[in-house]
Amino acid sequence: KAGVTQTPRYLIKTRGQQVTLSCSPISGHRSVSWYQQTPGQGLQFLFEYFSETQRNKGNFPGRFSGRQFSNSRSEMNVSTLELGDSALYLCASSLDGAMADTQYFGPGTRLTVL
Amino acid sequence: KNEVEQSPQNLTAQEGEFITINCSYSVGISALHWLQQHPGGGIVSLFMLSSGKKKHGRLIATINIQEKHSSLHITASHPRDSAVYICAVENYGGSQGNLIFGKGTKLSVKP
Repeated sequence: KAGVTQTPRYLIKTRGQQVTLSCSPISGHRSVSWYQQTPGQGLQFLFEYFSETQRNKGNFPGRFSGRQFSNSRSEMNVSTLELGDSALYLCASSLDGAMADTQYFGPGTRLTVL
Repeated sequence: KNEVEQSPQNLTAQEGEFITINCSYSVGISALHWLQQHPGGGIVSLFMLSSGKKKHGRLIATINIQEKHSSLHITASHPRDSAVYICAVENYGGSQGNLIFGKGTKLSVKP
């Protein structure tokens, strides 16, 4: 069974631009969660999607948004990029929900904002 | 003060040593997770605990709900165990999926 995949793996953008990251969960998994990891703040929860609906959201500004498609693939979008958005963005999938099951993490997308 | 505290921050051990990593939390939780992150970023979920103890191979995780404390033990450590170990809790009463993470413990096992 293929693991969680994320594209692209690396991305360089400039301040003010927007970016879209993609996550393909393990086949059969309906829940996708997104996390941001920075050296200063560590790992932080962004949001979780389940069956195309955002089920939970962390404490991030509205510039961070996401969506999930009917095949469970998920995208997250960051608009008006700031230098502080430079981070490793990880997604994780699970069968039923972030806490109900083991989460399987993707390799991450490393975003650099210049 | 962080809601999830891990100790130590860094740990160096010789191959074969018994290792303990600690996690203390200050919120009510419904579950606690131990994650392993290797250089390059890949994260593996090791354990999910709501009570008691779990064992998988050389890894053992325990949790004491009353003391709000969990430990991850590695027996007969090996250089391939070198990684960052992260504790995360699900805040009781919080939204499902809202994980609060510790800052991680960087483990280096020398041959």
